[in-house]
Amino acid sequence: QLVESGGGLVQPGGSLRLSCEASGFTFSNFWMSWVRQAPGRGPEWVANINQDGTEIYYVDSVKGRFTISRDNTKNSLFLHMNSLRAEDTAVYYCSDFDLWGQGTRVTVSS
Amino acid sequence: IVMTQTPVSLSVTPGQPASISCKSSQSLLNSNGKTHVYWFLQKPGQPPRLMIYELSSRFSGVPDRFIGSGSGTDFTLEIRRVEAEDVGVYYCMQNIQVPLTFGGGTYVDVK
Repeated sequence: QLVESGGGLVQPGGSLRLSCEASGFTFSNFWMSWVRQAPGRGPEWVANINQDGTEIYYVDSVKGRFTISRDNTKNSLFLHMNSLRAEDTAVYYCSDFDLWGQGTRVTVSS
Repeated sequence: IVMTQTPVSLSVTPGQPASISCKSSQSLLNSNGKTHVYWFLQKPGQPPRLMIYELSSRFSGVPDRFIGSGSGTDFTLEIRRVEAEDVGVYYCMQNIQVPLTFGGGTYVDVK
């Protein structure tokens, strides 16, 4: 399973660090993604990272603000989010697309 | 790559078939011979659930009434005999090229 944490309410321009803890499968064998879903909208892929962290990709809207990383020794995926904007408000899921967490809610508001 | 789904919503009688179309702006056929289109079902308050991967492969636990088909840029998810539990929003997604992109979704109502 995948369990996300770290969401919350943050002011515009603020920062958050999301975490995702994996269990029940060999985490280090899989590409992992962060996918977000704004209220009433469809899913939007945010970023992904390959098995050893040497390949990383982002959607244009978060480039330079978000950083995805992983720690295979701790079966964990991370998303560091800086310079947050109102439009980043969403539920953030970690996923390898076979498996999804329940998500963690991020609200950017003053 | 833009993924365009139709219809936006669909109302189906139990036991009847349903069909959802997804068109991509570029071919999703990779040089490895695989077509990189996925289908998900999302119910309210839940994360998306993988139903079909690589065009036509059913994920573990998905009933065989769900059938993915198509080629190149045109794809279809068919539900052969809709059941009440099939209600929700269906999304197609491509993962051949970043940014990975989803279709706009099709809401299936079972009346």
